[in-house]
Amino acid sequence: NAGVTQTPKFRVLKTGQSMTLLCAQDMNHEYMYWYRQDPGMGLRLIHYSVGEGTTAKGEVPDGYNVSRLKKQNFLLGLESAAPSQTSVYFCASSYSSQWGGYTFGSGTRLTVV
Amino acid sequence: GIQVEQSPPDLILQEGANSTLRCNFSDSVNNLQWFHQNPWGQLINLFYIPSGTKQNGRLSATTVATERYSLLYISSSQTTDSGVYFCAVRDTGKLIFGQGTTLQVKP
Repeated sequence: NAGVTQTPKFRVLKTGQSMTLLCAQDMNHEYMYWYRQDPGMGLRLIHYSVGEGTTAKGEVPDGYNVSRLKKQNFLLGLESAAPSQTSVYFCASSYSSQWGGYTFGSGTRLTVV
Repeated sequence: GIQVEQSPPDLILQEGANSTLRCNFSDSVNNLQWFHQNPWGQLINLFYIPSGTKQNGRLSATTVATERYSLLYISSSQTTDSGVYFCAVRDTGKLIFGQGTTLQVKP
């Protein structure tokens, strides 16, 4: 069981470069999420999706865009990376918005220099 | 939105000791999870526990939703229990995390 798979696992970007993080889940979950985790802090929600073709802003959406063209994939894009976006990014999915647990990917460590 | 507070922020134990971690939340919820983030950064589901008590080996959790708190018990701690423990609650479909309790178990 793959669960939630994130690619890449590590990446170093130069300021101003762009990149896309891919999240794929094989559990047929409707809901998918992107979080970032910074040192000494809990996870903060960037964007989320309640189904194929939908996206919504979370707590810290600025500087990021997302797309959910297929139910199993949720992409997080950085159009012009900034050092403040250096973080560990986690993707998660869940079956329902009201009950059941979340499953997290293993994370992507991004450094912007 | 819902506020989630965890205590203590840091905890150091000798191997074999027991501990209790607490999670308070500011509004009624119908969904609460406990996670362990290991030293390699991986988030591991421990419990999905909106109410009641569950046990899994040396770990158990209790949520009293009417009083807005949850407790995670770790018995006979081992060095592999080290890491950060997060509780998280659902708020309008989104999972909101506490700041975590950092646990260090010394041999």
